[in-house]
Amino acid sequence: DARVTQTPRDKVTEMGQEVTMRCQPILGHNTVFWYRQTMMQGLELLAYFRNRAPLDDSGMPKDRFSAEMPDATLATLKIQPSEPRDSAVYFCASGLGGPGDTQYFGPGTRLTVL
Amino acid sequence: AQSVTQPDIHITVSEGASLELRCNYSYGATPYLFWYVQSPGQGLQLLLKYFSGDTLVQGIKGFEAEFKRSQSSFNLRKPSVHWSDAAEYFCAVGDEGSQGNLIFGKGTKLSVKP
Repeated sequence: DARVTQTPRDKVTEMGQEVTMRCQPILGHNTVFWYRQTMMQGLELLAYFRNRAPLDDSGMPKDRFSAEMPDATLATLKIQPSEPRDSAVYFCASGLGGPGDTQYFGPGTRLTVL
Repeated sequence: AQSVTQPDIHITVSEGASLELRCNYSYGATPYLFWYVQSPGQGLQLLLKYFSGDTLVQGIKGFEAEFKRSQSSFNLRKPSVHWSDAAEYFCAVGDEGSQGNLIFGKGTKLSVKP
C-alpha cells in the first residue's frame, strides 16, 4: 500500500532554531505539495514542485522558509530561524499533477515552536 | 478569484441520521471538485471527486456528492452516519490550468452523537 511518509511526526523546538521536515512522496508521483494547517487559517498551500522543480512557492514566507527536492524520493521544508507563529501541522502531498488528479497526503509533522 | 466556501464550521448529527455537508465554489472554468476527510491526527484522504460525466458521484465509506452547476455547489451526503464518520471534511476545487493545484475550503467538523 503506497503512501506518503513524513518525518518527524512531532517536533518541539525553541524560537530561533532551524527546523527541517522531510517528505517521501509515493514512488512515481512527479508532483509534491507542501501545506500548513492551523486552526485560524485552515489549510494553506506553501509550495509545490513538478519533476523536482519549484512551480509555485508564493505561499511561503521567503525570508525564513525554503523548500527543495534533492531527488525524486525526498522533499524538504526548512524553517530558519523558527518563530512561535510557525507552530502548525505541515503536510506533504504527492500526485501525478494532472488536472483532476488526486493528491495523496502524508500524516503530517506537528511543529511546536516555543 | 477562485474560492471554495464551506458555510458550516461544525455540524453535529445523531448516529444513523442522514448527513449533508455544503460546499460552494467560485470558479471561471469547468471545475474539478473533490471531497477529502481528515480524521484526528491524520492526513487528508480522498472521499470522492468529480470532473465530468454523471453529476452524482459515489465515493468511499458510503458517501456521495452531487455537482450542481446552476448552484455552484458540490454537497456531500451520506444516508446514515456512523460514529466513525466523526472527522473534518474538506471540499476542494481545481481546473485544467491548475497543474494539479487545489484550492481547499476551511473545512466542516462533523461530530456524531450516539
